[in-house]
Amino acid sequence: ETGVTQTPRHLVMGMTNKKSLKCEQHLGHNAMYWYKQSAKKPLELMFVYSLEERVENNSVPSRFSPECPNSSHLFLHLHTLQPEDSALYLCASSHNPISSTDTQYFGPGTRLTVL
Amino acid sequence: GQNIDQPTEMTATEGAIVQINCTYQTSGFNGLFWYQQHAGEAPTFLSYNVLDGLEEKGRFSSFLSRSKGYSYLLLKELQMKDSASYLCAVEGGATNKLIFGTGTLLAVQP
Repeated sequence: ETGVTQTPRHLVMGMTNKKSLKCEQHLGHNAMYWYKQSAKKPLELMFVYSLEERVENNSVPSRFSPECPNSSHLFLHLHTLQPEDSALYLCASSHNPISSTDTQYFGPGTRLTVL
Repeated sequence: GQNIDQPTEMTATEGAIVQINCTYQTSGFNGLFWYQQHAGEAPTFLSYNVLDGLEEKGRFSSFLSRSKGYSYLLLKELQMKDSASYLCAVEGGATNKLIFGTGTLLAVQP
């Protein structure tokens, strides 16, 4: 069982669709993250959840809505996206939400294409 | 502002040594990470530096100079499987927030 899993691995959606990305971590970690990775750009932190509470929202548009029902699962709900939202969406987790030196473990990502 | 700089692309030969540089300007500093990311895969942790000096881990070593805002990743005895993107990331503030560079795409040639 890999540490952090994400589904689906690939997603194509229209601008009027509603879809959700799922992340699950099997590492017993307490913090989870959503990142966006666009071509030629750095990984951009979107959201941070610590013990199921959102502790960081990096000025992400409201068309992205995260949900963390428990410490092992993280969702990213998508609606009325734009073509420029096409990117690789990566989930990560770390053990200690307070420690600034904890290694983050990444999932394989969901490749999202918005038509 | 927060800024992480690293070369966009590098090419090296199998069996050789390559050094990937990273410079950073951040409002705070709690450590620097290097990640490896193969195409279509998750970034995987390679190294972490918080004190000045060299950390060696097998064929990979990472160096940090906090006064210069500089780090490098050194890869020895290059193998074809080392072809990947190498991401430099700085922990620059609270809440475990990592700031990433754009990554350096390394191509290892026979």
